[in-house]
Amino acid sequence: KAGVTQTPRYLIKTRGQQVTLSCSPISGHRSVSWYQQTPGQGLQFLFEYFSETQRNKGNFPGRFSGRQFSNSRSEMNVSTLELGDSALYLCASSFSPAGATNEQFFGPGTRLTVL
Amino acid sequence: GEDVEQSLFLSVREGDSSVINCTYTDSSSTYLYWYKQEPGAGLQLLTYIFSNMDMKQDQRLTVLLNKKDKHLSLRIADTQTGDSAIYFCADLSGGYNKLIFGAGTRLAVHP
Repeated sequence: KAGVTQTPRYLIKTRGQQVTLSCSPISGHRSVSWYQQTPGQGLQFLFEYFSETQRNKGNFPGRFSGRQFSNSRSEMNVSTLELGDSALYLCASSFSPAGATNEQFFGPGTRLTVL
Repeated sequence: GEDVEQSLFLSVREGDSSVINCTYTDSSSTYLYWYKQEPGAGLQLLTYIFSNMDMKQDQRLTVLLNKKDKHLSLRIADTQTGDSAIYFCADLSGGYNKLIFGAGTRLAVHP
């Protein structure tokens, strides 16, 4: 079974631009979560989608948004990029039925650099 | 809010056991996880433990949970150079697949 895939793997943008990152979960998984990893703040939860609905959201400004499609693939968007948005963005997928162990499997990440 | 803390660095000799410790604050935690991250890579799920368990063993890995003290540990037996990585403890908290991560423990294995 293929793992979680994220595209692109690397991205360089300038301040003020916007960016869209994509995540394809493991086949059959319906939950997709996004995390931001930086040296200063560590791993922080952005949001989680299940069956095209955002169920949970972390403490990030409204510039960070996401969506999930009917095939469970997810995208996240960051508008008006700031230097501090430079980070590794990780996507995780989970089967997530009720009573499950909620194991989350991570993709390799997208490394975003904002200049 | 919820918090997870880990020591930042551990150095061990090849063949010895490694013990990585973690404390968490959320008394309603259901599952606790250990992830491994190698340079330039994503997170690899190593193991997890349900909050009503005290111990879980999975090949070279042993997880111990002291729910009273909110303390979690990961023991790696016969540590190898390939185990050198950053290890993250994570607490399933805040509902709906939201993981709260510790800062990570960098494990260095030397000959």
